[in-house]
Amino acid sequence: NAGVTQTPKFRILKIGQSMTLQCAQDMNHNYMYWYRQDPGMGLKLIYYSVGAGITDKGEVPNGYNVSRSTTEDFPLRLELAAPSQTSVYFCASSTLYNEQFFGPGTRLTVL
Amino acid sequence: ILNVEQSPQSLHVQEGDSTNFTCSFPSSNFYALHWYRWETAKSPEALFVMTLNGDEKKKGRISATLNTKEGYSYLYIKGSQPEDSATYLCALINSGYALNFGKGTSLLVTP
Repeated sequence: NAGVTQTPKFRILKIGQSMTLQCAQDMNHNYMYWYRQDPGMGLKLIYYSVGAGITDKGEVPNGYNVSRSTTEDFPLRLELAAPSQTSVYFCASSTLYNEQFFGPGTRLTVL
Repeated sequence: ILNVEQSPQSLHVQEGDSTNFTCSFPSSNFYALHWYRWETAKSPEALFVMTLNGDEKKKGRISATLNTKEGYSYLYIKGSQPEDSATYLCALINSGYALNFGKGTSLLVTP
């Protein structure tokens, strides 16, 4: 099993550009999550999904969108990149209330 | 959002020392408490998932306890080794399906 995979690993965007961070898992988990890591602030939840077709906002959803068309994939969309979105983004998946499995992360810089 | 507090923020111990960290939370109304180990430049990895008051979990030299009545969990590391150096995250699930993370305790173990 590959577990949770994320692409790209690194990306530099200009202000106002858009991009999609890809996340996929092969463990048949219903629950998937997007977090961002900010220095000194730990992990903040952006969006999560409890199954295909069902998504909900987390603590810091502004500036992001998600979709969940399949159990395996949970892409995160940035529409108009801003410097405040410079961060490391982690995708994770789990079964209900159980341990979350994290992807390797995407390091995004917005200049 | 459930407020999860971790202390200390950082810790520096010598190889062979035993150490412990605290995770505090205001409510016993939650579904599960998670501990994660997060090494620099890697992704968080689950250590323990705890659900019941009085739960005790152990993995090698690392163990954890949960006291839901008084609102805390302890993580213990016996005989710390340099490879234990990492940030240790505590997280809770109360309502909904998402983890609320603390900011973590950063542990440095020097030879």
